[in-house]
Amino acid sequence: EVQLVESGGGLVQPGGSLTLSCAASGFRFSAYWMSWVRQAPGKGLEWVANIRQDGSEKKYVDSVKGRFNISRDNAKNSLYLQLNNVRVEDTAVYYCASQGAQWWDIFDIWGQGTMVTVSS
Amino acid sequence: DIVMTQSPDSLAVSLGERATINCRSSQSVLYSSDNKNYLAWYQQKPGQPPKLLINWASTRESGVPDRFSGSGSGTDFTLTISSLQAEDVAVYYCQQCYSTPLTFGGGTKVEIK
Repeated sequence: EVQLVESGGGLVQPGGSLTLSCAASGFRFSAYWMSWVRQAPGKGLEWVANIRQDGSEKKYVDSVKGRFNISRDNAKNSLYLQLNNVRVEDTAVYYCASQGAQWWDIFDIWGQGTMVTVSS
Repeated sequence: DIVMTQSPDSLAVSLGERATINCRSSQSVLYSSDNKNYLAWYQQKPGQPPKLLINWASTRESGVPDRFSGSGSGTDFTLTISSLQAEDVAVYYCQQCYSTPLTFGGGTKVEIK
């Protein structure tokens, strides 16, 4: 079964750090660009970052540049998002999603999401 | 950044009737070298992640009912549900994959009248 399972969400104070993980199974993880997409409570979808198959290229939305770091471990079929210096506005459900062979491919497989709450 | 604007924000349609959702991009998402529109549509039901419905503006994903169709080119796109079913109640998003940052429309909530 094709599956993405996120973990690592929780409550974090403003300025704090958190690392999210996404475990992939049922497909050739190493062949695809991977993304993180977030959704604030009651709001729409926002793409956060994506990473090339070998990890050599990373792209970010401006609002997280310099604070978040996307990475992957193809041997473990896992995707990560390190959140640093978090802000209240980073509160959201974070989804990992697979894309195709190119950064411009659509999000065809989604996880169920992990909730990050930034609050003091 | 390419801004995606959807309209309406919400609509209520009777069962069996047509629902039409519009999406406009702030610049063309038609790539001239392959003549493809880099525009996708997703459906999100409450408590669930989004599900890809349509790629390249008009190509239905495998398993998506044929009552869903996409049209448009350049900057103006439409998602049509030809005969609304109860299971189609959801929020629908358009998304451009023409350039980064990849951006979504604000969503359109479809309900039963």
